[in-house]
Amino acid sequence: EAGVTQSPTHLIKTRGQQATLRCSPISGHTSVYWYQQALGLGLQFLLWYDEGEERNRGNFPPRFSGRQFPNYSSELNVNALELEDSALYLCASRPRTGQGANGYTFGSGTRLTVV
Amino acid sequence: GDSVTQMEGPVTLSEEAFLTINCTYTATGYPSLFWYVQYPGEGLQLLLKATKADDKGSNKGFEATYRKETTSFHLEKGSVQVSDSAVYFCALSHTNAGKSTFGDGTTLTVKP
Repeated sequence: EAGVTQSPTHLIKTRGQQATLRCSPISGHTSVYWYQQALGLGLQFLLWYDEGEERNRGNFPPRFSGRQFPNYSSELNVNALELEDSALYLCASRPRTGQGANGYTFGSGTRLTVV
Repeated sequence: GDSVTQMEGPVTLSEEAFLTINCTYTATGYPSLFWYVQYPGEGLQLLLKATKADDKGSNKGFEATYRKETTSFHLEKGSVQVSDSAVYFCALSHTNAGKSTFGDGTTLTVKP
């Protein structure tokens, strides 16, 4: 069974540009979660998508947005990039049934560097 | 709101030593509790979980018991190996909340 896949692995952008990160969940998982792991700051919850809709978002500005496609894959967009957006962005999925009792399956992440 | 507090690292042990990484939480109700492990350059992997009080999660020699009375979920292993060197995250999740709350992570280094 394929795991959660993220692309690209690394991304270098200039301040002010836009970044697009992609995630494909495990087959059968309808929920996709995005987390930011900045150096020294742990995992910060960004967004939760389920059945094509945004269900919850963390304390991030509106320039962090995304969407979920009919095949449950997801895209995270970060507009007007700032230097402090440099981080590892992790995508995770889990089955919808018994949601909170299921652990996440994480992808390997996209390392975004803003210069 | 929910919060998870882990013992600060880094933790350095010799091979075959006993490991304890403390984790306590603050949450309403009865969340599920998790330990994840992150090896260098990788995403997080679910290590073990417990979904109700007094449950013990175990995997790969690691164990943790859900203690409602002390709101704790300490991670233990009787004999660590060099390959256990990683960052360990404690986390909690409510059934319908849709997101997990993570601790800051504890870096473990095991020396031969």
